[in-house]
Amino acid sequence: EILLTQSPATLSLSPGERATLSCRASQSVSSYLAWYQQKPGQAPRLLIYDASNRATGIPARFSGSGSGTDFTLTISSLEPEDFAVYYCQQRSNWPPIFTFGPGTKVDIK
Amino acid sequence: EVQLVESGGGLVQPGGSLRLSCAASGFTFSSYWMSWVRQAPGKGLEWVANIKQDGSDKYYVDSVKGRFTISRDNAKNSLYLQMNSLRAEDTAVFYCARVVGATYFDYWGQGALVTVSS
Repeated sequence: EILLTQSPATLSLSPGERATLSCRASQSVSSYLAWYQQKPGQAPRLLIYDASNRATGIPARFSGSGSGTDFTLTISSLEPEDFAVYYCQQRSNWPPIFTFGPGTKVDIK
Repeated sequence: EVQLVESGGGLVQPGGSLRLSCAASGFTFSSYWMSWVRQAPGKGLEWVANIKQDGSDKYYVDSVKGRFTISRDNAKNSLYLQMNSLRAEDTAVFYCARVVGATYFDYWGQGALVTVSS
């Protein structure tokens, strides 16, 4: 079973600052990694898939990078609506089971 | 517009059963893997189960194997989760999600709260 770890657990930043979130897999997942944003009381939203591709309608300030075991989600300049919890996710080759990281909370400093 | 609407949540006693439904619209339901993902209060996301387009393949997280059954009715554009032998630790918001590329969750429902308590 592939485990995902995320760091930091909490990131305290101000609007306009750059956010860098990390996700590490216990073994290689190639580029099959996604990032989601979740705000309180809402369902998660897909931001990034295949490590670096933005999902439909996602602003350009969100970018993803990495491959193998180390991945990064970068928010270039935080907007007020970006303060939320971010999860990474991968799918094992076979059987097709899915795992999420524990999440990183980005809160207002 | 893609829409996923869950129903069937509620309060159930430990050991009881509940069936969640998810009504899908705005896309060709029979063309996609579908999943259930849950989130315990104040906790992170946990994938629960997924089902292939024609219902022939189903997979579960270890903690629900033998207790939960995922199913679908492509004629009704609906996804289901039958939950038996419920435990307190199953208390969560359950989301229905569409699986794109058999790998990622691109659309989610609003969630259905399941509370297991006496």
